[in-house]
Amino acid sequence: GAVVSQHPSWVICKSGTSVKIECRSLDFQATTMFWYRQFPKQSLMLMATSNEGSKATYEQGVEKDKFLINHASLTLSTLTVTSAHPEDSSFYICSAPGQFGGYEQYFGPGTRLTVT
Amino acid sequence: QKEVEQNSGPLSVPEGAIASLNCTYSDRGSQSFFWYRQYSGKSPELIMSIYSNGDKEDGRFTAQLNKASQYVSLLIRDSQPSDSATYLCAVFQGAQKLVFGQGTRLTINP
Repeated sequence: GAVVSQHPSWVICKSGTSVKIECRSLDFQATTMFWYRQFPKQSLMLMATSNEGSKATYEQGVEKDKFLINHASLTLSTLTVTSAHPEDSSFYICSAPGQFGGYEQYFGPGTRLTVT
Repeated sequence: QKEVEQNSGPLSVPEGAIASLNCTYSDRGSQSFFWYRQYSGKSPELIMSIYSNGDKEDGRFTAQLNKASQYVSLLIRDSQPSDSATYLCAVFQGAQKLVFGQGTRLTINP
């Protein structure tokens, strides 16, 4: 599999501020990582695909100027929620594909964001 | 029609019995299928993958795939209270992304 970490595990911020979430693949280099959002009692929704060395690919309806993704290296992708509002409060989870070329994805522990 | 559909449950099963979880998908060209387990407040954990028609067994878990019927299932034998979680079916589709069902909440009753 793959080992993925996220930081922070939870964060509380005030409305209007920005929050950065880090996602790291610990045991292999990932050219692609994925960012998901999960609201309570709902399933995971893919927000964007993070590509090392190029722009992220955003899903329809996801504001790329609000959710900034930077794949800084082969082991690090960051998601910045800019000008956060209470409706952005959610569980944000990143994932990385299996290191042996399969289509499975391995998830980080997630970051719970609360915007007050 | 949703791309990946699951019965949201809750599904209650007595301890020691077999839990059966079902999933249907709409993209007939899908080739890769996964089951994830998600405990409350935690992120999903991959428990099974299946790519070919038929059964695949791993310990107490058996995944079943029928591409003609566009149907995937997960059987959990000898269910334990620790199996209580939400189980997510995921299908890798031609758009190069993993699409998740809404999940089935499973409760194992001691």
